[in-house]
Amino acid sequence: KQEVTQIPAALSVPEGENLVLNCSFTDSAIYNLQWFRQDPGKGLTSLLLIQSSQREQTSGRLNASLDKSSGRSTLYIAASQPGDSATYLCAVKMDSSYKLIFGSGTRLLVRP
Amino acid sequence: AAGVIQSPRHLIKEKRETATLKCYPIPRHDTVYWYQQGPGQDPQFLISFYEKMQSDKGSIPDRFSAQQFSDYHSELNMSSLELGDSALYFCASSRDRITDTQYFGPGTRLTVL
Repeated sequence: KQEVTQIPAALSVPEGENLVLNCSFTDSAIYNLQWFRQDPGKGLTSLLLIQSSQREQTSGRLNASLDKSSGRSTLYIAASQPGDSATYLCAVKMDSSYKLIFGSGTRLLVRP
Repeated sequence: AAGVIQSPRHLIKEKRETATLKCYPIPRHDTVYWYQQGPGQDPQFLISFYEKMQSDKGSIPDRFSAQQFSDYHSELNMSSLELGDSALYFCASSRDRITDTQYFGPGTRLTVL
């Protein structure tokens, strides 16, 4: 059974710092991995999608990497801003399924 | 750009009542997914539809049923509601059921009293 873990569970950084969020999964037979942002009580905003054949994806200040064989992905946020404060979730799609399996998220606070 | 639309956004029901949640996917998206997110928890997959046929099933209670209609919108029907059904219910859609990004709607917050 696939398990997705995110470390740390919470992170507080001063504005301007570069930071890395970690996501690990136990079964490497994934089709793709998606990173989301969720504001409190709100919906999920898709940030980046990495196919299993890709190593990384970039969008603006965000860069996501994937090491499928070791079961790891990282989300790098450059020059963090208070507006980046939210919960960041990673989710994997298995080869054999349509569904996304989510990690429990990292709650990020960027202090002004 | 058009997004996934969910209605209603908020719903309050009593125990043992019935609720119907609606989802309108992004135009030209043929796959719809339903997820449940309890308080302080990560989203859990319930069910998905591709071209109006059920394509995958997760931890959906027997009290719940769903379908996708000819215009690709989907409805999640929930009967005999329990207190534990209180959660955020998300609908997502994708253009390609295998490789594409799943785009999530704003969610319906269901409160069961």
